[in-house]
Amino acid sequence: QVQLVESGGGVVQPGGSLRLSCAASGFTFSGYGMHWVRQAPGKGLEWVAFIRYDGGSKYYADSVKGRFTISRDNSKNTLYLQMSSLRAEDTAVYYCAKGVLEGAGDYWGQGTLVTVSS
Amino acid sequence: QSALTQPASVSGSPGQSITISCTGTSSDVGGYNYVSWYQQHPGKAPKLMIYDVTNRPSGVSYRFSGSKSGNTASLTISGLQAEDEADYYCSSYTSSSTLVFGGGTKLAVL
Repeated sequence: QVQLVESGGGVVQPGGSLRLSCAASGFTFSGYGMHWVRQAPGKGLEWVAFIRYDGGSKYYADSVKGRFTISRDNSKNTLYLQMSSLRAEDTAVYYCAKGVLEGAGDYWGQGTLVTVSS
Repeated sequence: QSALTQPASVSGSPGQSITISCTGTSSDVGGYNYVSWYQQHPGKAPKLMIYDVTNRPSGVSYRFSGSKSGNTASLTISGLQAEDEADYYCSSYTSSSTLVFGGGTKLAVL
């Protein structure tokens, strides 16, 4: 069965960096695009970024463009989100999701919490 | 990209039908047949309920259906059940090659 397990969340100071990982299993990871979607505490869902199956194309929300980088290692079945210049408003649960660019995702992980605070 | 507009809350009694709207623009909802709907229970990850406006993934109850007219998409849940009580989010592909979500709708089953 499809499994997506996020890791790497934690507490980081404003201006700091953090790298999230999403370990995938139960499907051919190299054949599918992947999303990062976040949810601030008590708030709604916000799309963050998408990467195509081969890493050849990447897409970002304006709110993170230039600060976040999505990448993948198909040999390790792992998706990444490198986050830098973090702000308080980046505090959220970050989910990875399998899908296509035109639709968020048919399978989601359980999320990892990122807290940006001094 | 502004969030799609959803009602903050809707409610219904068991057995009834409810509809949740999702309003965007011609650059997102109205321009593409790429609207999805998600159900999220408290503390859980979102679950895909409808994709490409009208399609139900395998395993999702037939009680859930989607439609679209112009810049507004809708999710209808028929035969409401207690377990349908959750938050619901729509999403749409946009002309900027991004995705945008709605603000979410809290469904109460009274």
